[in-house]
Amino acid sequence: EPEVTQTPSHQVTQMGQEVILRCVPISNHLYFYWYRQILGQKVEFLVSFYNNEISEKSEIFDDQFSVERPDGSNFTLKIRSTKLEDSAMYFCASSEFNEQFFGPGTRLTVL
Amino acid sequence: AQTVTQSQPEMSVQEAETVTLSCTYDTSENNYYLFWYKQPPSRQMILVIRQEAYKQQNATENRFSVNFQKAAKSFSLKISDSQLGDTAMYFCAFIAQTGANNLFFGTGTRLTVIP
Repeated sequence: EPEVTQTPSHQVTQMGQEVILRCVPISNHLYFYWYRQILGQKVEFLVSFYNNEISEKSEIFDDQFSVERPDGSNFTLKIRSTKLEDSAMYFCASSEFNEQFFGPGTRLTVL
Repeated sequence: AQTVTQSQPEMSVQEAETVTLSCTYDTSENNYYLFWYKQPPSRQMILVIRQEAYKQQNATENRFSVNFQKAAKSFSLKISDSQLGDTAMYFCAFIAQTGANNLFFGTGTRLTVIP
């Protein structure tokens, strides 16, 4: 069964460093998403991406964040200068219509 | 704006018993979808069940069923014959059929199945 994959599973970085989180969505899906879940809190929407551009973004998704689909398979989330409060699980999801399939997540720890 | 509320932060159930998790939502949309996601300790988000708002019939997936009350904006999840593997966080989520296509999540209910 096709699935969304994410790498790395765990990323540790120093405050102020840049990180890139990678996702491979399900191949025939057209919509891609990033969500964030701070430990013990609910899952929050960051950004959605369709037809090679951002279609929606939340107020969390400020200038420190960017997304890219550099080739036909990968979908990346870049955090330019990480802050302590960026520590969270980051989930990638993809969908063909309204049912979103989630990847296993990347645990980001900012020290 | 859409909001999703789960008023039960924690629940527990004896193995083989039935438990119901509550969810209410607020929206001005008429066409939308509702979901229940399960998040086990591995923190993977797993889709449990979905409901289209235009369907009056409640969705069922094996031991999982929903009670969808559109007028009351209520969407509860019933788990029958609870199993130890059902222990997880359960999130209710909403997505509008048109416009913004992101999921809105509730704060979750932590379910523990007791052997």
